[in-house]
Amino acid sequence: QQPVQSPQAVILREGEDAVINCSSSKALYSVHWYRQKHGEAPVFLMILLKGGEQKGHEKISASFNEKKQQSSLYLTASQLSYSGTYFCGTEISGTYKYIFGTGTRLKVLA
Amino acid sequence: NAGVTQTPKFQVLKTGQSMTLQCAQDMNHEYMSWYRQDPGMGLRLIHYSVGAGITDQGEVPNGYNVSRSTTEDFPLRLLSAAPSQTSVYFCASSLRQGRTGAGELFFGEGSRLTVL
Repeated sequence: QQPVQSPQAVILREGEDAVINCSSSKALYSVHWYRQKHGEAPVFLMILLKGGEQKGHEKISASFNEKKQQSSLYLTASQLSYSGTYFCGTEISGTYKYIFGTGTRLKVLA
Repeated sequence: NAGVTQTPKFQVLKTGQSMTLQCAQDMNHEYMSWYRQDPGMGLRLIHYSVGAGITDQGEVPNGYNVSRSTTEDFPLRLLSAAPSQTSVYFCASSLRQGRTGAGELFFGEGSRLTVL
């Protein structure tokens, strides 16, 4: 049931772009994205609702395709502060169970 | 505004001991949940609650109990600790957003538990 993220890990140089994908086998009502830095709690980035809505947060944006049950997170012109593990999160449709994807470790090098 | 407060931050237990991880939020959120995160792994849902008096099992509920007597508090009880329960535990809360489900999850700082 856990959404699968790809890639599992990615290393970038400052200024490079990255895309993180989240794919679910279950119908998605909405998708959230979180970033977790080492030793800290996850921090909310954005929420995407049904309707293919694309949202942005500075140079981080995301899209949601409910028909394909997929979401993608786009990081442009990456900064050192973007390093961390990114998780997609979703509520299993028809339940109140909120679960997270497998995670993507992102490291940005100077 | 304290947000979500978890205690203790660190705990060492011996196999077979019991303990309670406390979680409190002051945002009047209906939804509260507990997750565990093992090294290098994602977050797995243990138990969740959609309001006072209502709790349900998540993905990995065995060995844990919860109760929700008030909107603010959602304690997690380990009945008989096992080394496999060594993990970092996060409590989270959110508002419900009608048909769209859970809103932004606010997390506590985490409780690091070691079972010897």
